[in-house]
Order: sequence, then structure tokens, then C-alpha cells
Amino acid sequence: KNEVEQSPQNLTAQEGEFITINCSYSVGISALHWLQQHPGGGIVSLFMLSSGKKKHGRLIATINIQEKHSSLHITASHPRDSAVYICAVSPLRAGGGADGLTFGKGTHLIIQP
Amino acid sequence: DAGVTQSPTHLIKTRGQHVTLRCSPISGHKSVSWYQQVLGQGPQFIFQYYEKEERGRGNFPDRFSARQFPNYSSELNVNALLLGDSALYLCASSPGSGPIWEQYFGPGTRLTVT
Repeated sequence: KNEVEQSPQNLTAQEGEFITINCSYSVGISALHWLQQHPGGGIVSLFMLSSGKKKHGRLIATINIQEKHSSLHITASHPRDSAVYICAVSPLRAGGGADGLTFGKGTHLIIQP
Repeated sequence: DAGVTQSPTHLIKTRGQHVTLRCSPISGHKSVSWYQQVLGQGPQFIFQYYEKEERGRGNFPDRFSARQFPNYSSELNVNALLLGDSALYLCASSPGSGPIWEQYFGPGTRLTVT
């Protein structure tokens, strides 16, 4: 079982719809990241959070540390939001070593006009 | 300010060959991490370097090595290439080491091994 699971894997919606992407993780973490990847590969960091909720424009990210769960919401979705959205965590490691981020497989979102 | 840059953009190599990928971090960033992303999967952590020292290593064979230079740029080297090494190689920089720092990703190098 992967340490980071995302759902759904694929999501197609109409322009204007409210979008929710879910992320569950099975390890203790220092922080959780939501990232956006467009075709061609470039990755952009959307949010880094360790508690509560963050909002940036039409994007909202929430995290529940006790339940090991996070959600990314997109309000008033637009075709330009079409991309792969990736959840990644910074795992807590014994000894404080740097182990990089552990990624989910991503959610492929398509917003149709 | 320029973002993280990587070179080359694309690369085609033959099995058994060696490859060197390069990464320049954002100015002022001292930490560089390398990730491998196979098609259809999320990235996998390979290495993290901070202040020219290896701070973390993922589950990759010894064919993979890296180093960081005094100007904080970094190279990823892969020896004896296998078909399975075909992937997008991503570099990310951050101001410091550790999980409190946000990582900034480069555009990646797409490696194809034939």
C-alpha cells in the first residue's frame, strides 16, 4: 500500500463546477504539499500546510492531521485548471534525516468548457 | 529572479551508457533535491544535497550518484543505463534542508533510454 493515496485518479467536470480532490496518508508527517503539474512536466507548488486550511484565489486546501487526510478544492473551475494535481508529504523520520517528499500518483483533472 | 533551471531538456541514450543531468537552484537556495518520475506515476525521491553534503537518499541503486558544487548547482549521474531509467528527472531547490521549507521545482529533464 502506498504511503500517499489520492482519489479520484481521473476527474472530468464542466466549467464552473466545484472540484474536490482527496489525499490520505499513512505516516506521520511534518507537512503536506499540493502541487500542480501541466503537460510537459513542470511542477508548481500550490500549498504547503501542516494544519487547518489555506486559501489562494479559487483554490482551498484543508488538512486533518488526526484523520491523516487532506482535500484540495477548486471553486468556479475553469478549463485552464486542467492539469495533474499531486499530493505529497514530508514524512517524519527517526534521526531527522532528509528523505525528500513522498508523492501520491496524482489526480488527472479535465475541465470541459 | 530566475527559477530552477535544468539541462538538458530532453536526452536520448542507449542502454549501458552514462548520463549527467544538471540543475541550477534559485539564487540563495542552498538545498537541491532530485526526483525521478516514471510516466503515469508520482515522482520518487532520489537525493537531497544541502551545503554540498548528501542529506538524504532514496531507494535507488548505486548506479545513481549526485554532487553539489560550491555555487549550489548540482549534477545527477546515472551509470549503466537501463530501459527502466527512462523517466522525467526533476530537480527542486529550497532555501534550507528539512521539511519546513517549500520546494521549488525545475521543468525537468526527460531521459529516454533505448
